[in-house]
Amino acid sequence: ETGVTQSPTHLIKTRGQQVTLRCSSQSGHNTVSWYQQALGQGPQFIFQYYREEENGRGNFPPRFSGLQFPNYSSELNVNALELDDSALYLCASRQGASENTEAFFGQGTRLTVV
Amino acid sequence: GEDVEQSLFLSVREGDSSVINCTYTDSSSTYLYWYKQEPGAGLQLLTYIFSNMDMKQDQRLTVLLNKKDKHLSLRIADTQTGDSAIYFCAETLLTGGGNKLTFGTGTQLKVEL
Repeated sequence: ETGVTQSPTHLIKTRGQQVTLRCSSQSGHNTVSWYQQALGQGPQFIFQYYREEENGRGNFPPRFSGLQFPNYSSELNVNALELDDSALYLCASRQGASENTEAFFGQGTRLTVV
Repeated sequence: GEDVEQSLFLSVREGDSSVINCTYTDSSSTYLYWYKQEPGAGLQLLTYIFSNMDMKQDQRLTVLLNKKDKHLSLRIADTQTGDSAIYFCAETLLTGGGNKLTFGTGTQLKVEL
């Protein structure tokens, strides 16, 4: 148990729909990162939020967006879903945006787009 | 550029040592990590090494870093069936633009009796 919880654990969406994934960070952590892990691949960095602002982004289109709330929990929103968006979405929380503090990962949300 | 490569699969017998290898391309990497992922689970940090170190030992785990060749390895001594999982190496750059991890494709370790 890392103290990072994600919801839902699984969901199925239709191509073109929108989805919101949620992450509750570990107590005391002010930084949340989101990763996409396609089947058989390593996780790919989507973006990072620090104190409610995005402060780093990977090579993902604008239809991937996020929010971080005052309690440091976070959402990942994906619009206009495509079949290739099917993946495990992981969030990780840490204390501090740039220091080498340990990132604690949640169990992930398995998204299937049909 | 950023690219982290690993061999896909490794099979060992219980009690033997396992060595998982990784190569990376970004010489500016500050920290290098090893993560473990069990089926249906998130990522668990096993150990990490700072880029100015050559070796780090932590109980059964030994990390070796060859910065000249950009090669990282993880040795697991006395491998147990519970070590069966996918192992990812990852690198990070500490920048003002966030602390992103770049992962390899993962090595599936299978431990046989």
